[in-house]
Amino acid sequence: EAGVAQSPRYKIIEKRQSVAFWCNPISGHATLYWYQQILGQGPKLLIQFQNNGVVDDSQLPKDRFSAERLKGVDSTLKIQPAKLEDSAVYLCASSLGRGTGAGELFFGEGSRLTVL
Amino acid sequence: AQSVTQLDSHVSVSEGTPVLLRCNYSSSYSPSLFWYVQHPNKGLQLLLKYTSAATLVKGINGFEAEFKKSETSFHLTKPSAHMSDAAEYFCVVTVAAGNKLTFGGGTRVLVKP
Repeated sequence: EAGVAQSPRYKIIEKRQSVAFWCNPISGHATLYWYQQILGQGPKLLIQFQNNGVVDDSQLPKDRFSAERLKGVDSTLKIQPAKLEDSAVYLCASSLGRGTGAGELFFGEGSRLTVL
Repeated sequence: AQSVTQLDSHVSVSEGTPVLLRCNYSSSYSPSLFWYVQHPNKGLQLLLKYTSAATLVKGINGFEAEFKKSETSFHLTKPSAHMSDAAEYFCVVTVAAGNKLTFGGGTRVLVKP
């Protein structure tokens, strides 16, 4: 079974530039998450989708971050314009989102962003 | 509301000795609890989970954790550390409704030969 795919793995940009990250979850997983992991910290949820609807985006800085999951499958996270403090690893995860699978997340390897 | 506290940011053990990673949680509802491991430059991988069945949970790679409601704890243990256990470990709490996970700050494990 293919895992969660993310791209690009690494990205270096200058502040005020824009960047986009892509995620393809495990087939059949209804729930998709984007987490931000700053060096030395635990992952922080940015946004959670259930199919193509947003369940929780309370910690998404909406003035600069946006995310979509138009067809309920893959997702894109965009940052525009980037700030120095956005340097982090952006992790995508998916889960079945129901029953015994609820809460068990499968993570991609992450996209490491460096903002100069 | 829910939260989780990992009591040690770093743990150093010698190969072949026991490992103990401490986690305390708070939750307004009956929680589900998880331990995830993250090796360098890799995504997080589920080690084990507690979802209101047996309080002693066995996971992959010889790890286990015990849910203690009276102490609001979910400590992770392994009887004998291996070099490959060097990684960062995250304790995670969620309640079934809403499926929102809250991560602890992580514990970095160093294994000395």
